[in-house]
Amino acid sequence: AQKITQTQPGMFVQEKEAVTLDCTYDTSDQSYGLFWYKQPSSGEMIFLIYQGSYDEQNATEGRYSLNFQKARKSANLVISASQLGDSAMYFCAMRLKAAGNKLTFGGGTRVLVKP
Amino acid sequence: NAGVMQNPRHLVRRRGQEARLRCSPMKGHSHVYWYRQLPEEGLKFMVYLQKENIIDESGMPKERFSAEFPKEGPSILRIQQVVRGDSAAYFCASSPETGVVVKTQYFGPGTRLLVL
Repeated sequence: AQKITQTQPGMFVQEKEAVTLDCTYDTSDQSYGLFWYKQPSSGEMIFLIYQGSYDEQNATEGRYSLNFQKARKSANLVISASQLGDSAMYFCAMRLKAAGNKLTFGGGTRVLVKP
Repeated sequence: NAGVMQNPRHLVRRRGQEARLRCSPMKGHSHVYWYRQLPEEGLKFMVYLQKENIIDESGMPKERFSAEFPKEGPSILRIQQVVRGDSAAYFCASSPETGVVVKTQYFGPGTRLLVL
């Protein structure tokens, strides 16, 4: 069975600094995808970034980048130049090709950006 | 291009009543997923449906919960005889055919169910 672990329940980051959110996963499948979502206090789930297991390059989307280390089974999210609007819960999720497109989520990390 | 629509956004029910949550997927998407989020937790998969078919219901409680995605109209998640432990946010997501690499799964705004 697949499992996603986010070991940081919460963290503070100074505005304009970078922050790294940890995510490790456990699967024996070779074909999978990794996702990061942001959930602000308003509650919606906002898709941020995707990394496929066969992608050789780390994914980047604007200020978001994914540090994908396949051998270590980690998919850390890096947010550069933090903004006050980045304060939210962040969830890492995994999709296994063999299991359809359902997502398995980690427990989340709460980020609070300080001015 | 409208996103995933869910209604109602908030639903209050008394114990023993029924809750019906609706989800309209993004245009062109034929796959719907329901997830439940308990307070201060991550989302947990409940059920995966295609039009008129339940593909995977491994995350659905065995009793009181059911889901459908009819040929016409939205997907419905139905909870019968609600209990306080059903209070949660219920999210719907949609995606296109699974035959293609799905790099995103778009979520609706969620329905917050409160059972009194």
